[in-house]
Amino acid sequence: GDSVTQMEGPVTLSEEAFLTINCTYTATGYPSLFWYVQYPGEGLQLLLKATKADDKGSNKGFEATYRKETTSFHLEKGSVQVSDSAVYFCALNPYNNNDMRFGAGTRLTVKP
Amino acid sequence: DTGVSQNPRHKITKRGQNVTFRCDPISEHNRLYWYRQTLGQGPEFLTYFQNEAQLEKSRLLSDRFSAERPKGSFSTLEIQRTEQGDSAMYLCASSSNTGRTGTYEQYFGPGTRLTVT
Repeated sequence: GDSVTQMEGPVTLSEEAFLTINCTYTATGYPSLFWYVQYPGEGLQLLLKATKADDKGSNKGFEATYRKETTSFHLEKGSVQVSDSAVYFCALNPYNNNDMRFGAGTRLTVKP
Repeated sequence: DTGVSQNPRHKITKRGQNVTFRCDPISEHNRLYWYRQTLGQGPEFLTYFQNEAQLEKSRLLSDRFSAERPKGSFSTLEIQRTEQGDSAMYLCASSSNTGRTGTYEQYFGPGTRLTVT
């Protein structure tokens, strides 16, 4: 079935470092792709999304491009801050379906 | 718009007891979802409602689990005869049709953490 695989964590970076969290997907149709973030003690928050190939989602300095040829949706940020420390989930919503499929999550810790 | 709310935030119960959780979605959202999240994993889909109709259930939703959304607004998730394996975070999300793209962005509540002792 449709699914996502994201890089295992944890990831530890220094402030202002470049971030990449890899996410690849398997899908039979044309899914929408999402990144969610979960800060300590809070629920999941939608970070960004892309609904079709070559779309780029962006928010709060984070970006991800929907790459159909490599079935990827990698999350990037040019300069991370301590406040970005959280767990990041890649997710897929199969076309015309209703259940979101999540990756296992990647814990990011940013040190000052 | 106060977002999705869930109550209680934490529940500790003894094995064999029944528990019920409540979810209040974003008011204009017609779709409501339940997920389960265990430590170190991403959320797993349990079930979803469109208005008051329960349209899909995961194989994860055993006979001990039942969900309702009687008036198409809030929803309850009941677990009967709880087992230690039911210990998890139970997440609720809601969405509405975004129209042109048909992409149902889901907005999550803070979750109810269940511990079965």
